[in-house]
Amino acid sequence: DTGVSQDPRHKITKRGQNVTFRCDPISEHNRLYWYRQTLGQGPEFLTYFQNEAQLEKSRLLSDRFSAERPKGSFSTLEIQRTEQGDSAMYLCASSADRVPYEQYFGPGTRLTVT
Amino acid sequence: AQSVSQHNHHVILSEAASLELGCNYSYGGTVNLFWYVQYPGQHLQLLLKYFSGDPLVKGIKGFEAEFIKSKFSFNLRKPSVQWSDTAEYFCAVKSTAGNKLTFGGGTRVLVKP
Repeated sequence: DTGVSQDPRHKITKRGQNVTFRCDPISEHNRLYWYRQTLGQGPEFLTYFQNEAQLEKSRLLSDRFSAERPKGSFSTLEIQRTEQGDSAMYLCASSADRVPYEQYFGPGTRLTVT
Repeated sequence: AQSVSQHNHHVILSEAASLELGCNYSYGGTVNLFWYVQYPGQHLQLLLKYFSGDPLVKGIKGFEAEFIKSKFSFNLRKPSVQWSDTAEYFCAVKSTAGNKLTFGGGTRVLVKP
């Protein structure tokens, strides 16, 4: 078990471009979460998957954002037509299917939109 | 809606001093509570958790936290800090009926050697 991994670790893109991030959860975890963290703030919830089903989405997740977990294993988060306000650290976490569903975080993908 | 407040944004102390970080949450239902730590250059790591039973919970590296339901608080303590405790600490709450964590804004702790 190598923990939650995310790729890429850093992404610099120009405004208007699309970006996609990948998250590989801990192998036996069927719950997967995405969060966003901006400088000086705690992480903010974006969305949650149980297996391949996306069961909860935050209002922070605008129409330009889409997340998938097609086979219930890895997940992708895509941002279309990036804006400067999208610059942040995007964190992925996973948890096992048992109380208290403690979440284990990956290293994050730092997105910079220029 | 849930919210979490961490009282101190920055704390500076010397080695061997005692540490207490405040955390208050706003939510009327049953919650699970967590403290995460982020060491410089590393990712968020779970420090300790409360979900039921004894309100005084012990975590890794000598940390403990006490859940006081009547005060909606979950303060983190360590009797004697080390330079290696320099990090940012985040309190988080999760409704037992929900899935997401709601985090506080974090407290940066600097321990001077």
